[in-house]
Amino acid sequence: KNEVEQSPQNLTAQEGEFITINCSYSVGISALHWLQQHPGGGIVSLFMLSSGKKKHGRLIATINIQEKHSSLHITASHPRDSAVYICAVRGRDDKIIFGKGTRLHILP
Amino acid sequence: EAGVTQSPTHLIKTRGQQATLRCSPISGHTSVYWYQQALGLGLQFLLWYDEGEERNRGNFPPRFSGRQFPNYSSELNVNALELEDSALYLCASSSPFPGLAGGWDEQFFGPGTRLTVL
Repeated sequence: KNEVEQSPQNLTAQEGEFITINCSYSVGISALHWLQQHPGGGIVSLFMLSSGKKKHGRLIATINIQEKHSSLHITASHPRDSAVYICAVRGRDDKIIFGKGTRLHILP
Repeated sequence: EAGVTQSPTHLIKTRGQQATLRCSPISGHTSVYWYQQALGLGLQFLLWYDEGEERNRGNFPPRFSGRQFPNYSSELNVNALELEDSALYLCASSSPFPGLAGGWDEQFFGPGTRLTVL
């Protein structure tokens, strides 16, 4: 079992839909990152969380430390949101562990 | 402001050779991270340098090594190349001001070096 699990692996939705991507982890962590990787390979850091909730534009990220779970939400999704979304955690041993990513495709 | 730069963009080597990949962080950033993204395996953490020192490394053999120079740029060296080392190697830099994660703050990624081992 992977230490960081993301679901779903693939998600296709219509433009305008509310999107939720989940990340569960099994290790103690000091922080969690959400990353976005576009088809060309470029990676952008979206959020870093250690507790609570953060919002940036149409993106919202939440984390529940007790339940070892984080969610990334996209409101009013748009085709330009199509990308791979990756969850990464920093364990208490300072190792960085990545989920396998969620491939999101938003149809116009 | 220039972003993180990596060179070369592409690198083709044969088994047993050595590869050297370079990364220049954003001006003012002192931390540099190296990651490997092999096809089908996802991103894996390789190395973390800060203020010229190796702070942490992932589960990779010793033939993966690197260094950070006084100007905070960094080199990743891969010795005795194997076919499975073919991957996209990404570098990221972050600010010297530690946040809640004790230094693992927002990371700015470079475009990567695609290494192909034949």
